[in-house]
Amino acid sequence: DIVMTQTPSSQAVSAGEKVTMSCKSSQSLLYNENKKNYLAWYQQKPGQSPKLLIYWASTRESGVPDRFIGSGSGTDFTLTISSVQAEDLAVYYCQQYYNFPTFGGGTKLELK
Amino acid sequence: EVKLLESGGGLVQPGGSMRLSCAASGFTFTDFYMNWIRQPAGKAPEWLGFIRNKANGYTTEYNPSVKGRFTISRDNTQNMLYLQMNTLRAEDTATYYCARRDTTGPFDYWGQGVMVTVSS
Repeated sequence: DIVMTQTPSSQAVSAGEKVTMSCKSSQSLLYNENKKNYLAWYQQKPGQSPKLLIYWASTRESGVPDRFIGSGSGTDFTLTISSVQAEDLAVYYCQQYYNFPTFGGGTKLELK
Repeated sequence: EVKLLESGGGLVQPGGSMRLSCAASGFTFTDFYMNWIRQPAGKAPEWLGFIRNKANGYTTEYNPSVKGRFTISRDNTQNMLYLQMNTLRAEDTATYYCARRDTTGPFDYWGQGVMVTVSS
């Protein structure tokens, strides 16, 4: 299994702050034949199912605000929220789909 | 509009069985891999398995953690996905989601989830 490790596990933020969170995989998620990283980010608010934000490590899903930015390649990935809004308070999960899917443990964004 | 709606959850005793259903609408069901994912309260999601699309023969793959106990099937005439769970254990207690996936992509649509509690 590919192990996904997210840091930090929680982060206290204020509205308007820039936030970054990390996701590391135990093996490379870069598929050489198509040069794509098989990495997605999801947002989960309390009582809701996870919502796809980013796929192929940096492609925003339709309708996702451009303050959400995915970056990274290989084994190291980052989700950046350029200016956190109140509605962004949630748990964020990274997930690899290079082979059988696995999720990271999540980063919870809380209000400072 | 893509919709996935799970049903069939509830309370079951350890060692018991339960079948979950997922009704799909708003897309060509046979074009997509359909997945089951579970999430214990306060923990990360865990992929359980998928059933492939028509082009890939509707074959199945499972997470080793549930292989042999859980079975995924689909009724393409009714646009329904199923999860048969046998020999249930307390650690199977979770919210269970069905989710759609393109052949090689992420989970782009999820259902709202259904709770399964395994307890005596």
